[in-house]
Amino acid sequence: KAGVTQTPRYLIKTRGQQVTLSCSPISGHRSVSWYQQTPGQGLQFLFEYFSETQRNKGNFPGRFSGRQFSNSRSEMNVSTLELGDSALYLCASSLVGGSSSYEQYFGPGTRLTVT
Amino acid sequence: TQLLEQSPQFLSIQEGENLTVYCNSSSVFSSLQWYRQEPGEGPVLLVTVVTGGEVKKLKRLTFQFGDARKDSSLHITAAQTGDTGLYLCAGGAAGNNRKLIWGLGTSLAVNP
Repeated sequence: KAGVTQTPRYLIKTRGQQVTLSCSPISGHRSVSWYQQTPGQGLQFLFEYFSETQRNKGNFPGRFSGRQFSNSRSEMNVSTLELGDSALYLCASSLVGGSSSYEQYFGPGTRLTVT
Repeated sequence: TQLLEQSPQFLSIQEGENLTVYCNSSSVFSSLQWYRQEPGEGPVLLVTVVTGGEVKKLKRLTFQFGDARKDSSLHITAAQTGDTGLYLCAGGAAGNNRKLIWGLGTSLAVNP
């Protein structure tokens, strides 16, 4: 079974621009979560989508948004980029129901650099 | 606010040594996962523990869930250079909108 894929792997943007990141979950996984990882803050939860609906949301400003499509693929968008948005953005998929629903299967991440 | 504290934050050892890293909280979790992350890659799930007092083994790695389901430990026997990475624990709390609570991780370096 193919793992979680994320595109692009690397991205360089300028302050003020916007960016869209894409994630394809493992086949059969209907929940997709997004995380931001930086050396100082660790893994920070952005949001989770299930059945095209945002089910959970972390403490990030409204510049960070996401969506999920009917095939469970997901995208996240960051508008008006700031230098502090430079990070590794990770997507994770999981099954729904029971303790397995907490098990996250991560993609390789997108390394975003904002200059 | 639920927190998961991991210790130590950094660990550098020689190949062949044993080590234990800890994941502690004042909150009760319905399950807890351990992940290992290598530089530039996403975390990889190692194990899930669910029952208080549960012990799981994965080759040279031994995972234990505390009796009260508030803490966990990871013990590595005879560490190898391939064990190098960031070890993360994450707790699932059923009453918390099914959010996962993440620790900041233990960065392990195993030197040849």
